[in-house]
Amino acid sequence: AQTVTQSQPEMSVQEAETVTLSCTYDTSESNYYLFWYKQPPSRQMILVIRQEAYKQQNATENRFSVNFQKAAKSFSLKISDSQLGDTAMYFCAFMNTNFGNEKLTFGTGTRLTIIP
Amino acid sequence: SAVISQKPSRDICQRGTSLTIQCQVDSQVTMMFWYRQQPGQSLTLIATANQGSEATYESGFVIDKFPISRPNLTFSTLTVSNMSPEDSSIYLCSARQTHSTDTQYFGPGTRLTVL
Repeated sequence: AQTVTQSQPEMSVQEAETVTLSCTYDTSESNYYLFWYKQPPSRQMILVIRQEAYKQQNATENRFSVNFQKAAKSFSLKISDSQLGDTAMYFCAFMNTNFGNEKLTFGTGTRLTIIP
Repeated sequence: SAVISQKPSRDICQRGTSLTIQCQVDSQVTMMFWYRQQPGQSLTLIATANQGSEATYESGFVIDKFPISRPNLTFSTLTVSNMSPEDSSIYLCSARQTHSTDTQYFGPGTRLTVL
C-alpha cells in the first residue's frame, strides 16, 4: 500500500515571500501521478498542480512549481510571491495508474498561513 | 475540469437516523469517489462508485453502513446509516472525467454533525 507523509503540520510566511511545502511518499510502483490540492476554509478541494511520474521535468503552474525527486520519492511544492489567498490546508496526494485502482492516497496536510 | 455539486451542504442529524448525500457532475464521468474527512484530519476514501456495478469499499467501510448508488454517469448518492456522533465529518464526492486518466475533481463537501 502507498503512504504519503507531510512532515510540516503548520507553516506561515510573510506575503510576497516564497514557501516550500514538503511531501514524501512510499510506493513500489514505477508509474503513478502526484498531486497537490488546496483546501481553503470554504473546504472546497482545489487542484493546484499535478506531476506524472514518468516525466522528469518538474510541473509548473504560474506561481506554483514542484521539485519532483523520483529516486528519493520526494514531491515538494514551492509557492512564489505568496498571496493572502494562498492561506489554506495543502494536501499532497498519490494516485496509482493501474486500471481499477486509481484512488487517491492523501497526506495529513500542511496548514499554510500567509501573513499580511 | 468537471464541476461537481453536493446536496445538502450541511446537516445536523439525530443519532440513529440516516442521511443521503447527493453528488451531481456537469459531465459524464467514469469513476466517482466518496471520501470522509473527520475534523482536523485528512481525506479517507470510503468507496469507489462505478456506473453499472457495485461500489468498491475500502477497508473499514461496509455497504450496510454506507450504501452507495450510481444510477448514471453524472450522479451518485452516499447514505450514512444509523448515525452516531462518530460519523460527524465532512463527506466529499469526487469524479474523474471519462477522457482523463488522472485528475480527480471534488465537490464542495457536506458537513454532517450527529447529535
